[in-house]
Amino acid sequence: ILNVEQSPQSLHVQEGDSTNFTCSFPSSNFYALHWYRWETAKSPEALFVMTLNGDEKKKGRISATLNTKEGYSYLYIKGSQPEDSATYLCAFFYNQGGKLIFGQGTELSVKP
Amino acid sequence: GAVVSQHPSRVICKSGTSVKIECRSLDFQATTMFWYRQFPKQSLMLMATSNEGSKATYEQGVEKDKFLINHASLTLSTLTVTSAHPEDSSFYICSAGGSSGRSSEAFFGQGTRLTVV
Repeated sequence: ILNVEQSPQSLHVQEGDSTNFTCSFPSSNFYALHWYRWETAKSPEALFVMTLNGDEKKKGRISATLNTKEGYSYLYIKGSQPEDSATYLCAFFYNQGGKLIFGQGTELSVKP
Repeated sequence: GAVVSQHPSRVICKSGTSVKIECRSLDFQATTMFWYRQFPKQSLMLMATSNEGSKATYEQGVEKDKFLINHASLTLSTLTVTSAHPEDSSFYICSAGGSSGRSSEAFFGQGTRLTVV
């Protein structure tokens, strides 16, 4: 059974704090790792699609790293803002699977 | 990015009735769409892969006769929950793209909150 775990389940930080969360996935048959941002009442939106071990991607204050050998990815948010409040989902795409396996998400709340 | 529209966003139905949920790709053609279900505090669970012009592929444990999927055109997939029961109450969401996984992200609809009373 393929399992994707995210931690923590929820996180409450103050505006300006930097934060990070973890996505753990099977290290075998790796094909790609996706990160999505999901605001309430909206559609999940892709942040990153990562494919190579050691990959590091950045979009504004958000960045992500990937370790396929040990099966984890970190998502970092520098200087959190209230508008960063959302659920962050990671999803694992495995070789020949043709589908994404999602973690349960990390719910981030940033207080002004 | 590409836009996927899902309707309705919320629906309340009586037990025993059927409910249809639509998922449309607005600005691109989607030969494959995916239907997910989410229970509170849990991850998006893939229910089935909808293939244009052919039968859907259902995940293990998903009842084909209860969750009817039709993908009659390159821009529309529908999920019909037949003879709905209260335990079918859940959040359902569709996506398109992402089927190659490596370079293509998935584009999601807004989701449908189904309540069966």
